[in-house]
Amino acid sequence: EAQVTQNPRYLITVTGKKLTVTCSQNMNHEYMSWYRQDPGLGLRQIYYSMNVEVTDKGDVPEGYKVSRKEKRNFPLILESPSPNQTSLYFCASNGFSEIGLTEQFFGPGTRLTVL
Amino acid sequence: DAKTTQPTSMDCAEGRAANLPCNHSTISGNEYVYWYRQIHSQGPQYIIHGLKNNETNEMASLIITEDRKSSTLILPHATLRDTAVYYCIVRFYFGNEKLTFGTGTRLTIIP
Repeated sequence: EAQVTQNPRYLITVTGKKLTVTCSQNMNHEYMSWYRQDPGLGLRQIYYSMNVEVTDKGDVPEGYKVSRKEKRNFPLILESPSPNQTSLYFCASNGFSEIGLTEQFFGPGTRLTVL
Repeated sequence: DAKTTQPTSMDCAEGRAANLPCNHSTISGNEYVYWYRQIHSQGPQYIIHGLKNNETNEMASLIITEDRKSSTLILPHATLRDTAVYYCIVRFYFGNEKLTFGTGTRLTIIP
């Protein structure tokens, strides 16, 4: 089954304790991205990656890092989490067709609480 | 990307067709109309997209007006599992796949 998986699904942590949220897709997609969703603000893109070793900032990259060492994985790293990073996080992936990006597949989400 | 306007909420009886409107009056010639939905707090799910012709797939139909300034997503036989927030998005096919989700339409299917 084609899917995007994220782990963990729920996480409660404390300010300053480094954490990583993993994301993996099994569709051989080149494009992957991370979003956060907050009430009243919709989905906002954090980082995206066009392919292995190619990453770029989205709209709200401050406080986050990513890496793309393998095509299937795109982890999101919070080096020093703060309470304002409490949010619902989604990973997503797209493939490419002859005329552009295909539709976006989203993971199930990770609900992060930073105390 | 062009902005879209959708009603905040709608109800539809189970088994009936749900028609969700979207206005995108500033759409440009190269921009597609996409629909996604989000059930509770799950990851958004792609439904359908189109440029100017009407489109149909196993989930829904998309009707785009001739001037492309508005569109309607049709769920032909709504079920309780179709209760979700539906997002209409307008974007170029190429480029960074940054989807700008507005507040969408909260569709409630009534038994």
